[in-house]
Amino acid sequence: ETGVTQTPRHLVMGMTNKKSLKCEQHLGHNAMYWYKQSAKKPLELMFVYSLEERVENNSVPSRFSPECPNSSHLFLHLHTLQPEDSALYLCASSQEGTGDPYGYTFGSGTRLTVV
Amino acid sequence: RKEVEQDPGPFNVPEGATVAFNCTYSNSASQSFFWYRQDCRKEPKLLMSVYSSGNEDGRFTAQLNRASQYISLLIRDSKLSDSATYLCVVIYNTDKLIFGTGTRLQVFP
Repeated sequence: ETGVTQTPRHLVMGMTNKKSLKCEQHLGHNAMYWYKQSAKKPLELMFVYSLEERVENNSVPSRFSPECPNSSHLFLHLHTLQPEDSALYLCASSQEGTGDPYGYTFGSGTRLTVV
Repeated sequence: RKEVEQDPGPFNVPEGATVAFNCTYSNSASQSFFWYRQDCRKEPKLLMSVYSSGNEDGRFTAQLNRASQYISLLIRDSKLSDSATYLCVVIYNTDKLIFGTGTRLQVFP
């Protein structure tokens, strides 16, 4: 596989469920990101991991918990979500320090619906 | 004020038309500028960079006006396949991409 792969593509969960989103990159990048895209809103950067360490957390509620076990994998653990958390969750990776969006690759996203 | 602002549209244009989108940004320290394209329910994909001198890629022309803090995208001879949402993206801190809400374009036959 190449590029950035996200699973699952679609997820429906209840407010009391616990689920995880997975992202995997095969590009040798050293930085990974989680974005949230809600209807009629811009992509919001949620978390940034650089060399497996979290370097940015943009005031994201604690019901979202990221995990980066190695430079190729990124998870987003979800628990007790609210209906307003329904959105497209996008993972991206890049080679940090280049400031080069040509090397900034998005996954296809997980469309999450909280019921 | 939003960091990056775009008219959400939709812009409905016939095939063959010329259409232009603008985007304004609030941070004068912004360093780099780009247009992304996002098809329905898909991830954003980089369309082109935007330079002060303006740049062209086929039917697409992008321009930057630093004094007025806006960038533009012009699409000539619109095709049905151009229907998508066009996202304005600004970088002012290395690797941190700031996205606009996007402008939706619908090209009809």
